Amino acid sequence: GESVGLHLPTLSVQEGDNSIINCAYSNSASDYFIWYKQESGKGPQFIIDIRSNMDKRQGQRVTVLLNKTVKHLSLQIAATQPGDSAVYFCAETLSGGGADGLTFGKGTHLIIQP
Amino acid sequence: DSGVTQTPKHLITATGQRVTLRCSPRSGDLSVYWYQQSLDQGLQFLIQYYNGEERAKGNILERFSAQQFPDLHSELNLSSLELGDSALYFCASSVGVSDSGANVLTFGAGSRLTVL
Repeated sequence: GESVGLHLPTLSVQEGDNSIINCAYSNSASDYFIWYKQESGKGPQFIIDIRSNMDKRQGQRVTVLLNKTVKHLSLQIAATQPGDSAVYFCAETLSGGGADGLTFGKGTHLIIQP
Repeated sequence: DSGVTQTPKHLITATGQRVTLRCSPRSGDLSVYWYQQSLDQGLQFLIQYYNGEERAKGNILERFSAQQFPDLHSELNLSSLELGDSALYFCASSVGVSDSGANVLTFGAGSRLTVL
Protein backbone atom coordinates (compact mmCIF):
# COMPACT_ATOMS: atom_id res chain seq x y z
CA GLY A 1 0.00 0.00 0.00
CA GLU A 2 1.02 3.62 -0.21
CA SER A 3 2.94 4.98 2.71
CA VAL A 4 5.28 7.68 3.88
CA GLY A 5 8.74 6.56 4.87
CA LEU A 6 12.07 7.94 6.01
CA HIS A 7 15.50 7.20 4.62
CA LEU A 8 17.52 6.98 7.85
CA PRO A 9 16.52 5.77 11.29
CA THR A 10 19.24 7.78 13.09
CA LEU A 11 21.03 11.02 12.28
CA SER A 12 23.89 12.31 14.43
CA VAL A 13 25.05 15.92 14.07
CA GLN A 14 27.32 18.30 15.93
CA GLU A 15 25.73 21.04 17.96
CA GLY A 16 25.65 24.19 15.86
CA ASP A 17 25.66 22.36 12.54
CA ASN A 18 22.70 22.21 10.21
CA SER A 19 20.58 19.04 10.12
CA ILE A 20 18.77 17.63 7.14
CA ILE A 21 16.15 14.96 7.66
CA ASN A 22 14.72 13.27 4.60
CA CYS A 23 11.45 11.63 3.78
CA ALA A 24 10.14 9.78 0.74
CA TYR A 25 6.43 9.55 0.10
CA SER A 26 4.47 7.56 -2.43
CA ASN A 27 0.95 8.98 -2.46
CA SER A 28 0.99 11.63 -5.17
CA ALA A 29 -2.58 12.59 -4.22
CA SER A 30 -1.53 13.96 -0.83
CA ASP A 31 -2.05 17.67 -0.56
CA TYR A 32 -0.29 18.48 2.71
CA PHE A 33 3.00 17.32 4.14
CA ILE A 34 3.75 17.91 7.77
CA TRP A 35 6.73 17.49 10.04
CA TYR A 36 6.30 16.47 13.66
CA LYS A 37 8.85 16.27 16.44
CA GLN A 38 8.55 13.74 19.25
CA GLU A 39 10.65 14.15 22.36
CA SER A 40 11.19 11.30 24.75
CA GLY A 41 8.08 10.60 26.81
CA LYS A 42 5.90 13.03 24.90
CA GLY A 43 3.48 12.98 22.04
CA PRO A 44 4.35 14.30 18.58
CA GLN A 45 4.46 18.07 18.22
CA PHE A 46 3.72 20.03 15.04
CA ILE A 47 6.74 21.80 13.55
CA ILE A 48 5.93 22.96 10.05
CA ASP A 49 3.95 21.94 7.01
CA ILE A 50 3.87 22.55 3.31
CA ARG A 51 1.15 22.30 0.75
CA SER A 52 1.68 20.37 -2.44
CA ASN A 53 1.56 23.52 -4.58
CA MET A 54 4.70 24.85 -2.91
CA ASP A 55 8.30 23.66 -3.00
CA LYS A 56 9.74 25.51 -0.01
CA ARG A 57 8.51 26.92 3.23
CA GLN A 58 10.47 28.49 6.05
CA GLY A 59 9.82 28.77 9.73
CA GLN A 60 11.92 29.69 12.70
CA ARG A 61 15.24 27.84 12.16
CA VAL A 62 13.44 25.23 10.05
CA THR A 63 12.88 24.91 6.33
CA VAL A 64 10.82 22.28 4.56
CA LEU A 65 11.52 21.42 0.95
CA LEU A 66 9.17 19.46 -1.28
CA ASN A 67 10.21 17.85 -4.54
CA LYS A 68 7.14 16.40 -6.16
CA THR A 69 9.07 15.09 -9.15
CA VAL A 70 10.88 12.52 -7.01
CA LYS A 71 8.32 12.49 -4.17
CA HIS A 72 10.81 13.69 -1.61
CA LEU A 73 10.40 15.87 1.45
CA SER A 74 13.11 17.23 3.69
CA LEU A 75 13.35 19.17 6.92
CA GLN A 76 16.34 21.39 7.45
CA ILE A 77 17.16 22.59 10.95
CA ALA A 78 19.63 25.44 11.16
CA ALA A 79 22.21 25.70 13.96
CA THR A 80 21.09 22.53 15.68
CA GLN A 81 20.69 22.81 19.45
CA PRO A 82 20.53 20.16 22.18
CA GLY A 83 16.80 20.78 22.45
CA ASP A 84 16.41 19.56 18.88
CA SER A 85 17.18 16.00 19.99
CA ALA A 86 14.05 14.04 19.18
CA VAL A 87 12.46 11.71 16.68
CA TYR A 88 11.20 13.52 13.61
CA PHE A 89 8.28 12.23 11.59
CA CYS A 90 6.99 13.32 8.27
CA ALA A 91 3.30 12.89 7.66
CA GLU A 92 0.96 13.35 4.77
CA THR A 93 -2.72 13.96 4.42
CA LEU A 94 -5.05 14.11 1.49
CA SER A 95 -7.00 17.07 2.76
CA GLY A 96 -6.43 20.04 4.98
CA GLY A 97 -9.70 19.91 6.79
CA GLY A 98 -8.91 16.91 8.93
CA ALA A 99 -11.42 14.56 7.39
CA ASP A 100 -8.77 11.89 7.20
CA GLY A 101 -6.05 10.94 9.59
CA LEU A 102 -2.40 11.65 9.00
CA THR A 103 -0.17 8.96 7.50
CA PHE A 104 3.14 9.02 9.33
CA GLY A 105 6.55 7.79 8.31
CA LYS A 106 8.60 5.68 10.68
CA GLY A 107 10.72 8.51 12.06
CA THR A 108 14.34 9.64 12.20
CA HIS A 109 16.06 9.94 15.54
CA LEU A 110 18.15 13.11 15.58
CA ILE A 111 21.07 12.94 18.01
CA ILE A 112 23.00 16.09 18.85
CA GLN A 113 26.68 15.65 19.65
CA PRO A 114 28.17 18.31 21.98
CA ASP B 1 1.48 20.81 28.22
CA SER B 2 -0.53 20.17 25.05
CA GLY B 3 -3.88 20.41 26.82
CA VAL B 4 -4.79 16.89 25.74
CA THR B 5 -5.07 14.59 28.75
CA GLN B 6 -4.71 10.84 28.57
CA THR B 7 -5.16 8.26 31.29
CA PRO B 8 -3.73 5.96 32.38
CA LYS B 9 -0.09 6.74 31.56
CA HIS B 10 0.91 3.12 31.91
CA LEU B 11 -1.10 -0.06 31.89
CA ILE B 12 0.04 -3.66 32.18
CA THR B 13 -2.38 -6.46 31.51
CA ALA B 14 -2.58 -10.02 30.26
CA THR B 15 -3.52 -11.52 26.93
CA GLY B 16 -7.23 -11.94 26.43
CA GLN B 17 -8.10 -9.04 28.70
CA ARG B 18 -9.92 -5.81 27.89
CA VAL B 19 -8.80 -2.28 28.70
CA THR B 20 -10.17 1.21 28.27
CA LEU B 21 -8.02 4.22 27.52
CA ARG B 22 -9.38 7.66 28.14
CA CYS B 23 -8.74 10.98 26.47
CA SER B 24 -9.89 14.51 27.19
CA PRO B 25 -9.23 16.84 24.27
CA ARG B 26 -8.21 20.46 24.63
CA SER B 27 -10.98 22.63 25.94
CA GLY B 28 -13.32 23.50 23.10
CA ASP B 29 -11.84 21.04 20.57
CA LEU B 30 -14.55 18.93 19.01
CA SER B 31 -12.29 16.39 17.28
CA VAL B 32 -10.50 13.45 18.82
CA TYR B 33 -8.04 11.27 16.93
CA TRP B 34 -6.58 7.99 18.17
CA TYR B 35 -3.18 6.72 17.06
CA GLN B 36 -1.19 3.62 17.88
CA GLN B 37 2.60 3.80 18.00
CA SER B 38 4.60 0.58 17.97
CA LEU B 39 8.23 -0.10 17.15
CA ASP B 40 7.50 -2.06 14.00
CA GLN B 41 4.49 -0.15 12.63
CA GLY B 42 5.28 3.40 13.67
CA LEU B 43 2.40 5.82 14.19
CA GLN B 44 -0.83 4.39 12.82
CA PHE B 45 -4.08 6.30 12.58
CA LEU B 46 -6.91 4.36 14.20
CA ILE B 47 -10.04 6.46 14.27
CA GLN B 48 -11.40 10.00 14.45
CA TYR B 49 -14.47 11.40 16.17
CA TYR B 50 -15.98 14.81 15.70
CA ASN B 51 -18.56 16.12 18.13
CA GLY B 52 -19.62 12.64 19.12
CA GLU B 53 -19.78 11.13 15.64
CA GLU B 54 -17.28 8.83 13.98
CA ARG B 55 -15.70 10.77 11.11
CA ALA B 56 -12.84 8.70 9.75
CA LYS B 57 -11.49 5.23 10.25
CA GLY B 58 -7.95 4.03 9.77
CA ASN B 59 -6.23 0.78 10.61
CA ILE B 60 -8.38 -0.04 13.60
CA LEU B 61 -8.88 -3.69 14.42
CA GLU B 62 -12.35 -5.11 14.97
CA ARG B 63 -11.31 -5.94 18.54
CA PHE B 64 -10.89 -2.22 19.14
CA SER B 65 -13.66 0.32 19.44
CA ALA B 66 -13.98 3.93 20.44
CA GLN B 67 -16.59 6.48 21.29
CA GLN B 68 -16.83 10.15 22.07
CA PHE B 69 -19.16 11.31 24.79
CA PRO B 70 -21.30 14.48 25.02
CA ASP B 71 -18.66 16.15 27.18
CA LEU B 72 -16.25 15.43 24.26
CA HIS B 73 -13.97 13.06 26.13
CA SER B 74 -13.24 9.85 24.28
CA GLU B 75 -12.52 6.28 25.21
CA LEU B 76 -10.65 3.65 23.23
CA ASN B 77 -11.63 0.11 24.15
CA LEU B 78 -9.22 -2.69 23.37
CA SER B 79 -10.47 -6.24 23.85
CA SER B 80 -9.15 -9.79 23.51
CA LEU B 81 -5.72 -8.32 23.89
CA GLU B 82 -2.75 -9.91 22.18
CA LEU B 83 0.96 -9.47 22.75
CA GLY B 84 1.17 -7.45 19.55
CA ASP B 85 -1.21 -4.84 20.95
CA SER B 86 1.54 -3.62 23.25
CA ALA B 87 2.17 -0.07 22.12
CA LEU B 88 1.79 3.58 22.92
CA TYR B 89 -1.69 4.87 22.24
CA PHE B 90 -1.99 8.56 21.52
CA CYS B 91 -4.98 10.79 21.46
CA ALA B 92 -4.92 14.08 19.59
CA SER B 93 -7.25 16.96 19.05
CA SER B 94 -7.31 19.55 16.31
CA VAL B 95 -6.05 22.99 17.23
CA GLY B 96 -7.00 24.53 13.91
CA VAL B 97 -5.33 24.93 10.56
CA SER B 98 -1.82 26.06 9.75
CA ASP B 99 -0.97 28.97 7.48
CA SER B 100 -0.91 26.44 4.63
CA GLY B 101 -4.34 25.12 5.51
CA ALA B 102 -3.27 21.80 7.01
CA ASN B 103 -5.12 20.43 10.00
CA VAL B 104 -2.81 20.80 13.00
CA LEU B 105 -3.06 18.12 15.63
CA THR B 106 -1.87 18.39 19.19
CA PHE B 107 -1.13 15.10 20.90
CA GLY B 108 -1.42 13.94 24.46
CA ALA B 109 1.48 12.25 26.23
CA GLY B 110 0.10 8.81 25.43
CA SER B 111 -0.90 5.68 27.28
CA ARG B 112 1.67 2.91 27.27
CA LEU B 113 0.01 -0.49 27.12
CA THR B 114 1.97 -3.62 27.89
CA VAL B 115 0.32 -6.96 27.24
CA LEU B 116 2.02 -9.92 28.94
